[in-house]
Amino acid sequence: EAGVTQSPTHLIKTRGQQATLRCSPISGHTSVYWYQQALGLGLQFLLWYDEGEERNRGNFPPRFSGRQFPNYSSELNVNALELEDSALYLCASDPGNEQFFGPGTRLTVL
Amino acid sequence: DAKTTQPPSMDCAEGRAANLPCNHSTISGNEYVYWYRQIHSQGPQYIIHGLKNNETNEMASLIITEDRKSSTLILPHATLRDTAVYYCIVRVRANSGGYQKVTFGTGTKLQVIP
Repeated sequence: EAGVTQSPTHLIKTRGQQATLRCSPISGHTSVYWYQQALGLGLQFLLWYDEGEERNRGNFPPRFSGRQFPNYSSELNVNALELEDSALYLCASDPGNEQFFGPGTRLTVL
Repeated sequence: DAKTTQPPSMDCAEGRAANLPCNHSTISGNEYVYWYRQIHSQGPQYIIHGLKNNETNEMASLIITEDRKSSTLILPHATLRDTAVYYCIVRVRANSGGYQKVTFGTGTKLQVIP
């Protein structure tokens, strides 16, 4: 069984640009969570999608947005990038009783 | 708004038992206790979970107090590879009351010392 995949592995952008991060959950899992992990910090909840709908979002500005596609894959968009957006972005696939994490996308904003 | 509190860091001698505490005093009756660990910026890895009985698997043991307000993760013989950040979370399971937002706290950084 394939695990959670995320792309790209690394992403380098400059301030003001937009970043798009992608996540493919484990087959059959309909729920996808996004987390931001800045260097040395814990996981900050960003967004939760289930069955194509946004169920909840964390305390992040509106320039953090996303969507979930009919095949349950998900995309995280970050507009107007700021230096402090540099972090590891983790996606987790959740069948309702456990979270399976992907390897993450390391976003660096210069 | 994490529902759990953990000490920020702990040390453990290699070969000794590592006991990691977690406080979840506001846990609801249908919420389970889960433990994950994250090794050096990889995605967190599931360790163990439980509702009210103590649980054991090949990685660790989970001891939950009778009032369920706290728990302890036990790594019986810590190795250097157990150095990681350990997260304790509480959540419902889909077959016991529906979905909820899952929130991780800041975790405990366990350093295993040779």
